[in-house]
Amino acid sequence: DIEMTQSPDSLTVSLGERATINCKSSQSVLLSSNRKNYLAWYQQKPGQPPKLLIFWASMRESGVPDRFSGSGSGTDFALTISSLQAEDVAVYYCQQYYSDFPTFGPGTRVEIK
Amino acid sequence: QVQLVQSGAEVKKPGSSVRISCKTSGGTFTSFGFVWVRQVPGQGLEWMGGIVPVYGTSKYAQRFQGRLTISADESTTTVYMELSSLRPDDTAFYYCARDYYGVVHPGYFDHWGPGTLVSVTS
Repeated sequence: DIEMTQSPDSLTVSLGERATINCKSSQSVLLSSNRKNYLAWYQQKPGQPPKLLIFWASMRESGVPDRFSGSGSGTDFALTISSLQAEDVAVYYCQQYYSDFPTFGPGTRVEIK
Repeated sequence: QVQLVQSGAEVKKPGSSVRISCKTSGGTFTSFGFVWVRQVPGQGLEWMGGIVPVYGTSKYAQRFQGRLTISADESTTTVYMELSSLRPDDTAFYYCARDYYGVVHPGYFDHWGPGTLVSVTS
């Protein structure tokens, strides 16, 4: 299985400031034949199911605010919230779908300072 | 719009089985895959397995092999997850989700059910 790690475990950011979450895979999730990174990001708020934010590492899901962006390639990825809003308090997970057995990172909790 | 509606909470005894349903609507059922993801309260997400209804094929995470069965009923656009030989550490929320890319290859999950809490206790 491809192991996913995230850093930091938790992040406290002031309203309006930038938040960056890192995700690393144990092997590359970039498929050379189509140049796509098989990496998604999800947001989970308390008491709710996860919500898809980003797929193919940098494609924003419909309806997701443009303050959320994904970047990276190969084994190293990042989710950036450009200007943190109160409603962004949540746990964020990365997920690889390169292998036949998808795996998630352990999550990063984002809170307001 | 796409909706996934799951069956209600369950309380089970160790050694028993649980079957959870996920009724889907909106979108074309056979154009997607469906997966089950579980989450122990306060912990992270774990992919358990998935099904591609158009092919009738299922795939399971190694740790659930032998006690997990995922099935689909095209006539009712419903996906099912059955987990047997339940243990107290199977107590978790179980989510169904649509795998947008799933017919081609396991993918990303664009719509999720609300979750079903399964409690395993003697």
